[in-house]
Amino acid sequence: QKEVEQNSGPLSVPEGAIASLNCTYSDRGSQSFFWYRQYSGKSPELIMFIYSNGDKEDGRFTAQLNKASQYVSLLIRDSQPSDSATYLCAVKRGDKLIFGTGTRLQVFP
Amino acid sequence: DAGVIQSPRHEVTEMGQEVTLRCKPISGHNSLFWYRQTMMRGLELLIYFNNNVPIDDSGMPEDRFSAKMPNASFSTLKIQPSEPRDSAVYFCASNLGRDPPQYFGPGTRLTVL
Repeated sequence: QKEVEQNSGPLSVPEGAIASLNCTYSDRGSQSFFWYRQYSGKSPELIMFIYSNGDKEDGRFTAQLNKASQYVSLLIRDSQPSDSATYLCAVKRGDKLIFGTGTRLQVFP
Repeated sequence: DAGVIQSPRHEVTEMGQEVTLRCKPISGHNSLFWYRQTMMRGLELLIYFNNNVPIDDSGMPEDRFSAKMPNASFSTLKIQPSEPRDSAVYFCASNLGRDPPQYFGPGTRLTVL
C-alpha cells in the first residue's frame, strides 16, 4: 500500500460544477496535509494546507480532513477551465513531504 | 524576488555521461529540497538540506547520485554515470525553516539516451 494514494483520473467536470478530489494516507500519526496544483509542464504550487479535522475554506477551495478515516479531500467550487491541472496531495512525515501521484482534473466549458 | 532558479532547464545526454543540475534557492531561505518526478512514481524527495547541511538523503536512489550545498545560495545534484532510467523532471524547492517547501523551481527535464 502506498503511503499516500490518489485516483489518477482524469476527473472531468463541467464548468461551474464542484470538483471533488480525494486522497487517503496510511500513517495514522500524520498531522499535516497539503494540496499542490501542477499545470502541465510547470512546477507544483501550494494551494491549501490543513492540520485539523473538519473543513478549511479559501475562496473557491475547501480542504476537508477526516483523521479517523485517514482521508483528505479538496473541493473546488464553480470550477473553471483554468482549474484544469494535476492536483497533488501531500502528507508531512517528519521534515519531509510524501506526495501522492496526483489526480488530473479536466474542466470542460 | 526571482524565485528558485534551476539550470539547465533541459538536458539531453547519453548513458554513462555525468550530469550536473544546479539550483539557487530564494534568498533568505535556509531549507533546500531536491525532488524527482516521473509518471510512474510521482514526486519523490531525494535529499534535503537545512542551513547547508544534508539532513536526510534516504531518497537518493543509489551511489550514482550525489548532492552538495557549498553555501546558502547554491546547490548541485550530480548523477555519474547517468542511465536511461534517470530520465525525469528534477525539481529544487526552498523554504524558510523546516516546514514543507512552498516554492518550487521550474525544474530540469533530464533525458538520458
